[in-house]
Amino acid sequence: EAQVTQNPRYLITVTGKKLTVTCSQNMNHEYMSWYRQDPGLGLRQIYYSMNVEVTDKGDVPEGYKVSRKEKRNFPLILESPSPNQTSLYFCASRQTGGASYEQYFGPGTRLTVT
Amino acid sequence: AQSVTQLDSQVPVFEEAPVELRCNYSSSVSVYLFWYVQYPNQGLQLLLKYLSGSTLVKGINGFEAEFNKSQTSFHLRKPSVHISDTAEYFCAVSVNRDDKIIFGKGTRLHILP
Repeated sequence: EAQVTQNPRYLITVTGKKLTVTCSQNMNHEYMSWYRQDPGLGLRQIYYSMNVEVTDKGDVPEGYKVSRKEKRNFPLILESPSPNQTSLYFCASRQTGGASYEQYFGPGTRLTVT
Repeated sequence: AQSVTQLDSQVPVFEEAPVELRCNYSSSVSVYLFWYVQYPNQGLQLLLKYLSGSTLVKGINGFEAEFNKSQTSFHLRKPSVHISDTAEYFCAVSVNRDDKIIFGKGTRLHILP
C-alpha cells in the first residue's frame, strides 16, 4: 500500500530536549516536505527536499533541521524545542517532473513542548 | 508571489443541503489549483485538482470545483452533503510543477442534522 508514515504520532517533551520525528514514504517520490498546522493558520511549510541531499527552507524553518540521506526518508529534527513549536506536524511526498502533482500526507505527529 | 484566501473559516450547513466553499487566489502567472480534505484526526488527502483544460473539475465523494480565471476563484461545491463530509477543507495553489504548494487557512465544514 502506498503510504507516508510518521513516528511518533504523539509526543510530549520538555523545552530544550532534542527530538527527531521520522518520515518515510514507499512511493519512490523525489519531493518530500514538512508542514506544521496551527489553528487559524492552516499549513505552513517548514522545509522541503527536491531529491537526495537537496533541501531548502520553507516559510517557517527557524528552530528546525532536516536531512535527506535516502530517497525514502526525511526526518525532522528539533535540536532545542521550545513551547512555540507545539503543533501538529505533517510530512508529505509527491512526484516531480510528471503530470501528477498530488501530495501524499502522513497521518501527523502531535507535538507538545512544555 | 502567489497566495490563497479561503473566505470562510467555518461553514455550517444542514444535511442533504448544497454547500459551496470559497477560494480565491492571486498570481501573475498560470496556476495549478487543488482542494484537499482533512477528516478528524487524519492527514490531508486530495479531493480534486485543476491543471489545465475543462474548468469544471470533478473529484471524489461527489465534490466538484470550477476554475474561474477572470475572478481568480476555485470554489468547491457539493449538491447534497452528508454527515461524513464533516472535515476541514484546504484550497491550495502552485505555479509550476516543481514549485511548492501554498495552502489556504482552511474551512471547517459543519454538517447539522
